[in-house]
Amino acid sequence: GENVEQHPSTLSVQEGDSAVIKCTYSDSASNYFPWYKQELGKRPQLIIDIRSNVGEKKDQRIAVTLNKTAKHFSLHITETQPEDSAVYFCAASLAGTASKLTFGTGTRLQVTL
Amino acid sequence: SAVISQKPSRDICQRGTSLTIQCQVDSQVTMMFWYRQQPGQSLTLIATANQGSEATYESGFVIDKFPISRPNLTFSTLTVSNMSPEDSSIYLCSVELGQGADGYTFGSGTRLTVV
Repeated sequence: GENVEQHPSTLSVQEGDSAVIKCTYSDSASNYFPWYKQELGKRPQLIIDIRSNVGEKKDQRIAVTLNKTAKHFSLHITETQPEDSAVYFCAASLAGTASKLTFGTGTRLQVTL
Repeated sequence: SAVISQKPSRDICQRGTSLTIQCQVDSQVTMMFWYRQQPGQSLTLIATANQGSEATYESGFVIDKFPISRPNLTFSTLTVSNMSPEDSSIYLCSVELGQGADGYTFGSGTRLTVV
């Protein structure tokens, strides 16, 4: 089955700096890669996703890149703000088949003033 | 986007008892999933709830411990049976809304404490 590794486990950045979180996956058949943000005591919320037919996707301050050959994808947050502080999870699945999501271990991002 | 209602939001239960968690979606969905999130950990899939057939369980999870029902395309229940303190976790239902939509969306979760 799919295995997703995520690094780093914790990340502290100063407000305004950029943050990068990296994930690798094992199943070359996976083709859907979402990122979730989970604030304390709340449900995971989808913040951006990418499918294997594109290499990069951007939404305002958030971008995701995908390298299918190397089987890794990354989340980039620019101009970080205190409200970006949360736990971020990457995931992978084979979309279109109602397939399950396999999650990474999570990254706790702390944005300091 | 779909609205997912999950209840109860939290409960404190005695060991040896069972708790049934409900998940209601405001639109028909093909697949519903049940996840467990232990304190400070990632999300682990318990099972896929299939409408009209038995749930598909992941390695390490069994039907006797986590029976699941899926009577229609908008509703599912997860029961945590014969609970022990190790079952203390957050349990979340999730649905797939299809390509181009919200992807996989989660219910608000059930925080279970077993004493």
